[in-house]
Amino acid sequence: QSVLTQPPSVSGAPGQRVTISCTGSSSNIGAGYDVHWYQQLPGTAPKLLIYGNSNRPSGVPDRFSGSKSGTSASLAITGLQAEDEADYYCQSYDSSLSGPLFGTGTKVTVL
Amino acid sequence: EVQLVESGGGLVKPGGSLRLSCAASGFTFSSYSMNWVRQAPGKGLEWVSSISSSSSYIYYADSVKGRFTISRDNAKNSLYLQMNSLRAEDTAVYYCARVRDPDDYSVDYWGQGTLVTVSS
Repeated sequence: QSVLTQPPSVSGAPGQRVTISCTGSSSNIGAGYDVHWYQQLPGTAPKLLIYGNSNRPSGVPDRFSGSKSGTSASLAITGLQAEDEADYYCQSYDSSLSGPLFGTGTKVTVL
Repeated sequence: EVQLVESGGGLVKPGGSLRLSCAASGFTFSSYSMNWVRQAPGKGLEWVSSISSSSSYIYYADSVKGRFTISRDNAKNSLYLQMNSLRAEDTAVYYCARVRDPDDYSVDYWGQGTLVTVSS
């Protein structure tokens, strides 16, 4: 079964840098498909944060950055702020599913 | 302004049916592929189904294949999800979502979601 694995939680103090990993396989990230990242604030719909591995939609602060290598991808948040406390999901295309696959999700806590 | 507004959620008994609708505005609906994505209470995001702009290509997650049917009416700027033979595990918030790029399946706009509860 295809899965994109993320750490359940990460935390950091205000101003610090945190990273969230997203590990896939040869049917998704490893096959060369792009990775996207979404932020979901409590009680709201997800919001696109990064698309195409490292591109930010307009309005997304440059504190958020994405990268991809091999079968994994990462989201970095620098200068962590209280408003960044949310759930974050990676997403890629999976050839076994013939559709998009979401990561397991990571809760970011600002200490 | 892009808006996606879902409706049709509610409480239904196991084995029952429900039809979700999504009204789109603020963009040329007929030019975009669309997704349904769901989120069970306290759980992560799960892709349910996708439909291309002209309905030529339709895909389903294995968990709903044979029970759910996605469709769209470009003249009415609307997306639908017919859900039959509902199970307890289908309980979730269902989001209508616009595909930003059909080549990479990224989603750039989401509706607010509609809650479907399957329970006796």
